[in-house]
Amino acid sequence: DGGITQSPKYLFRKEGQNVTLSCEQNLNHDAMYWYRQDPGQGLRLIYYSQIVNDFQKGDIAEGYSVSREKKESFPLTVTSAQKNPTAFYLCASSIAVGEAFFGQGTRLTVV
Amino acid sequence: AQTVTQSQPEMSVQEAETVTLSCTYDTSESDYYLFWYKQPPSRQMILVIRQEAYKQQNATENRFSVNFQKAAKSFSLKISDSQLGDAAMYFCAYRSAGGGGADGLTFGKGTHLIIQP
Repeated sequence: DGGITQSPKYLFRKEGQNVTLSCEQNLNHDAMYWYRQDPGQGLRLIYYSQIVNDFQKGDIAEGYSVSREKKESFPLTVTSAQKNPTAFYLCASSIAVGEAFFGQGTRLTVV
Repeated sequence: AQTVTQSQPEMSVQEAETVTLSCTYDTSESDYYLFWYKQPPSRQMILVIRQEAYKQQNATENRFSVNFQKAAKSFSLKISDSQLGDAAMYFCAYRSAGGGGADGLTFGKGTHLIIQP
């Protein structure tokens, strides 16, 4: 089945620790995105990538980093510089225009 | 930059009744896409319906239909014969059809829909 797979579903981070969220898609989409969701805030764009080896900052990129070494994969690293990382993270992909398809999400909690 | 506004944080409707969720957006572009996504308690984002701005005809998907008013920049979602499974957060989203669409979708803050049995 074609789709987007995010892992893990739940992730716990200690203070000062970097963590990486995985996102893999087999839809053959060129574009991939990372969104952060907080209660009452909707979805906010962290990073996006239109093509392999290229990515751009979104609205709230501070404290995050990404890579796009393969078309299928777009991992997100939450660094220690992100002061409030507890949130729900959604990965999405799309063709150049039109709707985005989403993964199941990762719930990150700082402990 | 485009903005999307959903003015109803929460709506409640009786099962089998009809409910309308509101969405307005701000853009200077003439060609774009509008979407409604549903997020149930599982938190999976599910596309409900899409509308291309160049199409005058309102989109319909079974019990879901939209009222697209381009001049007013309004894009409301009507759910007919509401079912318990319709209970979810609903997000309105905008995407440019041109190069500005490269950065993906812009979302509203969502409307929490409650279905009363």
